Amino acid sequence: NAGVTQTPKFQVLKTGQSMTLQCAQDMNHNSMYWYRQDPGMGLRLIYYSASEGTTDKGEVPNGYNVSRLNKREFSLRLESAAPSQTSVYFCASWDSEAFFGQGTRLTVV
Amino acid sequence: SQQGEEDPQALSIQEGENATMNCSYKTSINNLQWYRQNSGRGLVHLILIRSNEREKHSGRLRVTLDTSKKSSSLLITASRAADTASYFCAPRVQRGSTLGRLYFGRGTQLTVWP
Repeated sequence: NAGVTQTPKFQVLKTGQSMTLQCAQDMNHNSMYWYRQDPGMGLRLIYYSASEGTTDKGEVPNGYNVSRLNKREFSLRLESAAPSQTSVYFCASWDSEAFFGQGTRLTVV
Repeated sequence: SQQGEEDPQALSIQEGENATMNCSYKTSINNLQWYRQNSGRGLVHLILIRSNEREKHSGRLRVTLDTSKKSSSLLITASRAADTASYFCAPRVQRGSTLGRLYFGRGTQLTVWP
């Protein structure tokens, strides 16, 4: 039982490149979340998915897209990375409490 | 905003002392949860308190909730160096367009010195 698994753990992108952050959970949870964490800013909600096939914007959705491929997987895509998207990204799933992945450290140069 | 706001932003104490962190929020809630984050890691759930509860204990943790003041507190008794971490509260919204979303504030950075 792995919980919430995020890949990759580290990534460096050049400005304008695209990439997809992967997240999978094996707890059969309906709700899944993507957050970014910047120094002094706490966690900010990017996108949220209440169930397979549904997604909603959070506080800071600009520059991101998401896909809830199935109940297990919730991916976050950066179509054209910008230095302002340098951050640590966390995926979480929810069932009465939130379970977090270990994070993806993304640097955009 | 839907998230809780933790106070203080930083707290520094000696081992053996108690640590108290506070959380304020603005909406009606179903429950409020506290999480801990060790440096560079994902958040880990500590304790949940429901809106009809006033106090809850779990080991060295004590959480209170005052829905009339829209505030909660987390007390860690007899702190240890291993308690050094950031602590976040997450109010679970009761109704409205943001139902189901989970928001976090900026957290309280607790440092416990040996």
